[in-house]
Amino acid sequence: SQQGEEDPQALSIQEGENATMNCSYKTSINNLQWYRQNSGRGLVHLILIRSNEREKHSGRLRVTLDTSKKSSSLLITASRAADTASYFCATDRRFTGNQFYFGTGTSLTVIP
Amino acid sequence: DAMVIQNPRYQVTQFGKPVTLSCSQTLNHNVMYWYQQKSSQAPKLLFHYYDKDFNNEADTPDNFQSRRPNTSFCFLDIRSPGLGDAAMYLCATSRTTGEGARLHEQYFGPGTRLTVT
Repeated sequence: SQQGEEDPQALSIQEGENATMNCSYKTSINNLQWYRQNSGRGLVHLILIRSNEREKHSGRLRVTLDTSKKSSSLLITASRAADTASYFCATDRRFTGNQFYFGTGTSLTVIP
Repeated sequence: DAMVIQNPRYQVTQFGKPVTLSCSQTLNHNVMYWYQQKSSQAPKLLFHYYDKDFNNEADTPDNFQSRRPNTSFCFLDIRSPGLGDAAMYLCATSRTTGEGARLHEQYFGPGTRLTVT
């Protein structure tokens, strides 16, 4: 079953702007991952952040994690048309095995 | 390159006719997962293997079975496909390390798109 929800469901921005997506989850976690999926394609891993971490960066991506609020955000800076995709968070569940459950996803459109 | 491979990429089967999807990995990861993804939805976890231990999700229909004969290969068997089983099926791997079995990121294959006629 799904662990999280993402907000907004859809986001449309101009090229060069920043895009922020949020993920909220229900139970305590060890790890949270962010993925990108282009239409009809496979999932590309972006960042994994652990429960004892608060922020991670990778290129134009910045991920934050607030375990007290059970939420995470993904910031894409200086967006490009090629960033157009669906973005998903996936979380495991603390103490209950090695499963990763996906959130509902955010569909991002970057307008050139 | 180390990777996750799924065959076939596209599979067409008839209603009620058993079908098997395959996944192989060269990453030597000890955890393997099968997800079902329907159009415009999030991937839904069906089950996973931790080494040889099979872990089913409570809401996975009995129609779906899995086999993992060795570390590298994992199969998804759909015993009697219905029209509602048409979807993209994604295989993923991960690894655990250290005394606490720390879980690492998942790597996904390209998926098999299943059509049921």
